Order: sequence, then C-alpha cells, then structure tokens
Amino acid sequence: QLQLQESGSGLVKPSQTLSLTCAVSGDSLNSGGYSWSWIRQPPGKDLEWIGYIYHSGSTYYNPSLKSRVTMSIDRSKNQFSLKLNSVTAADTAVYYCARGEALPPRYFGYWGQGTLVTVSS
Amino acid sequence: QSVLTQPPSVSAAPGQKVTISCSGSSSNIGNNYVSWYQHLPGTAPKLLIYDNNKRPSGIPDRLSGSKSDTSATLGITGLHTGDEADYYCGTWDTRLTTFVFGTGTKVTVL
Repeated sequence: QLQLQESGSGLVKPSQTLSLTCAVSGDSLNSGGYSWSWIRQPPGKDLEWIGYIYHSGSTYYNPSLKSRVTMSIDRSKNQFSLKLNSVTAADTAVYYCARGEALPPRYFGYWGQGTLVTVSS
Repeated sequence: QSVLTQPPSVSAAPGQKVTISCSGSSSNIGNNYVSWYQHLPGTAPKLLIYDNNKRPSGIPDRLSGSKSDTSATLGITGLHTGDEADYYCGTWDTRLTTFVFGTGTKVTVL
C-alpha cells in the first residue's frame, strides 16, 4: 500500500524559506505515469495546488507561486521536497504531498496526512 | 477564491441522500476530468471519484459522480454518521494551467 509522509519545519520566520520533505513507501518515485505534487490548505481556506515534480526531475509550478517555489527529488531516498522562499503569514497552511495520476494530474489517488507550517516571528 | 463553486453545506437524515454540486467553466470542468475527495480534519484527503464517475477500489457504490457541461455532482445515498466530512471537487484548469479545487462542502447527518 502506497504511503506518503510529510516532514519538515513546523515554524518558519517571515521572509525565510519553508522546507518540507515527502517520504514515499510502497512505490518507487521512478514509476512512470505519476506526478508527485504538493498541495496546501490555509486555515479556513480552499485547497491550493502548489505544483508537481516528475520522476525525471522535470517540474511544473502553480503560476501564482512559481517565483518562490522549488521542488526536487531524491531517488536514492525515495522522497521529494518542497522549498518555498520569502514566506509570509499567508503561507501558513497545512501542507500535503500527493501522487497525481498522469501529467498534468487528472486526480490525486494518495495523500499524506499533512503537516502544519506556521509562519510567525 | 476558487474557480469551482460548491455549496458550503448540505445535510440529511441517516439513510437519506445528499448531492453536492460543483460549478465551473469551459476552461476547467467543461473540458477536463473531475475528481472528488473526502476530507476529515487531521487526516489525509481520500479520493472518492475520479474521471467524472469512476470509483477507486474500496469506495462503495452508494457514492456516485456525474458531469454535465460545466458542472459536476457527487451523490451519496444511504447516509450515515461516518459520512460527516468536508467534500471537495477538483479538476485541471486549462486557462490557469493549474489544478483547482472547489470551495468545499460540509456534509452533516441530522
């Protein structure tokens, strides 16, 4: 059974960089046909798709966040990562990693439990 | 704010049926597949419906999905307390070039 688990800093200061990692078990990130996404949900707000990374390392980011987002993949550890720089309070959210079907993703079949990141001084 | 609009809440008695609408446009629902997710706070969102009307393995047939033009609908029959959760629709938006989610609907079992 595929499982995803987010980890990373839960508290980030304004203007600094948010860093999260998603560890994948039960499947290889090298599996074709899937994209690996980050999605977030600020308190009381809608889900927002951040972007995806493919096993080849190619990426696609939400245009609204593109200037601040970097995603990377570590095949040896079977995990992928998110960096979001110049954070503000508006970046406070629960961050999820998820496996997307196809490119661009048609749907997300597996999600992590999510991790809360708070931006505060 | 999301480009996919859902009612904030729906409710029904146990055993009854609820439907949740998801209204979009030709750049999203009108030309792309719709999926539906159940979300309980503190847990991983769960895929209920994909490709408009398909159920993943393990999802009971009392859940159904449909799409017409620029709107989609999730139906839940035989409602029980375990169905109390937030439900979201989602699809790719060709104009925004991003995956978009609906505004979310809270289901309450009376």
